[in-house]
Amino acid sequence: DAKTTQPNSMESNEEEPVHLPCNHSTISGTDYIHWYRQLPSQGPEYVIHGLTSNVNNRMASLAIAEDRKSSTLILHRATLRDAAVYYCILRGFNPTYKYIFGTGTRLKVLA
Amino acid sequence: DSGVTQTPKHLITATGQRVTLRCSPRSGDLSVYWYQQSLDQGLQFLIQYYNGEERAKGNILERFSAQQFPDLHSELNLSSLELGDSALYFCASSPGTGMNTEAFFGQGTRLTVV
Repeated sequence: DAKTTQPNSMESNEEEPVHLPCNHSTISGTDYIHWYRQLPSQGPEYVIHGLTSNVNNRMASLAIAEDRKSSTLILHRATLRDAAVYYCILRGFNPTYKYIFGTGTRLKVLA
Repeated sequence: DSGVTQTPKHLITATGQRVTLRCSPRSGDLSVYWYQQSLDQGLQFLIQYYNGEERAKGNILERFSAQQFPDLHSELNLSSLELGDSALYFCASSPGTGMNTEAFFGQGTRLTVV
């Protein structure tokens, strides 16, 4: 089964950009890369997703490597409200890994 | 507000008992997913329904069962409860089952088994 690998934790200073990496070396050609985040005591929240091209939305940017074996979620200016656990997920045809969450990266934002 | 409603928000019950958790998906969403999150643990996928039919199953215990009704709301039934079943239970919904769709999560039901 395709899976993702993320660092357990990262720190960033407020107002600075944050680059959250994700490795998915066994990704298949039809797998979409999704990112979710979970703020303390809340349900996960959709952030962004993409297939091959880089994507931007109001929350973040997603940079996908040319070989698609890795991706990076970019928060352009971290705020204290961005402190959360960020999950990188592969979503594909195989029902055994539909929205399967790994351990994620706990982002700490320093004031 | 994600549009996904879970009730109740909190539930305290004794070991051996049976509880039902309810989820109302976003209007128009056909897929419902259930997850369990124990203290300081990740989200464990339990089961997925699409338009009333079971589509995918994760590590769901035999003591647990779920269904999706014709009005698309879903219920997760947990029976013969054990202390280890204490966790946050999340429901999510999405428009379909496509890989290009995002899921919307509810605020969860916190179950405490004493």
